[in-house]
Amino acid sequence: GDSVTQMEGPVTLSEEAFLTINCTYTATGYPSLFWYVQYPGEGLQLLLKATKADDKGSNKGFEATYRKETTSFHLEKGSVQVSDSAVYFCALPPLNSGNTPLVFGKGTRLSVIA
Amino acid sequence: EAGVTQFPSHSVIEKGQTVTLRCDPISGHDNLYWYRRVMGKEIKFLLHFVKESKQDESGMPNNRFLAERTGGTYSTLKVQPAELEDSGVYFCASSPLAGGPDTQYFGPGTRLTVL
Repeated sequence: GDSVTQMEGPVTLSEEAFLTINCTYTATGYPSLFWYVQYPGEGLQLLLKATKADDKGSNKGFEATYRKETTSFHLEKGSVQVSDSAVYFCALPPLNSGNTPLVFGKGTRLSVIA
Repeated sequence: EAGVTQFPSHSVIEKGQTVTLRCDPISGHDNLYWYRRVMGKEIKFLLHFVKESKQDESGMPNNRFLAERTGGTYSTLKVQPAELEDSGVYFCASSPLAGGPDTQYFGPGTRLTVL
């Protein structure tokens, strides 16, 4: 079945450091790809998405590019802030339709220190 | 507009006890999903309601778990009797019937600890 593999955490960075969180996937076809973020005490929020190969999703300074050739969707940010401390989940919808449960990676906890 | 809410936020129970988790979806969202994240592992799908009907319950781990959505509004997830391995964070999500795969809105989760 479809699956998502995410780099293990936790990741601890200093403010203004460069962030990469790796995500690779196994899927039938070419599903949309998502990054969700969970800030402390809150629910998961969709951070960014890409719907087809070579698409780049971006939001709040984060970016991820849908790489079909490497089946990857790595999350990057050039300069992290303390407020980016959260748990990040890579995810995909197996059937790429509206009414389908999502498949998630294990999550990567990011801590940014001032 | 109110988001997805879940109650309680935390629950600590003894093995063998019963716990009921509640999820209130966004008003008008016909799809309701339950997921669970066991410590350090993936968020895994448990089941999916469309209105009051169970569309897919393939992720329910065993018959100690019972989910209901009477009237197609809020949903409850009962664990009876609870076991140690049921500990984790239970998330609920809702989406509109005609929404795309990126329209699931998640609640903050219920952290369940079984001692």
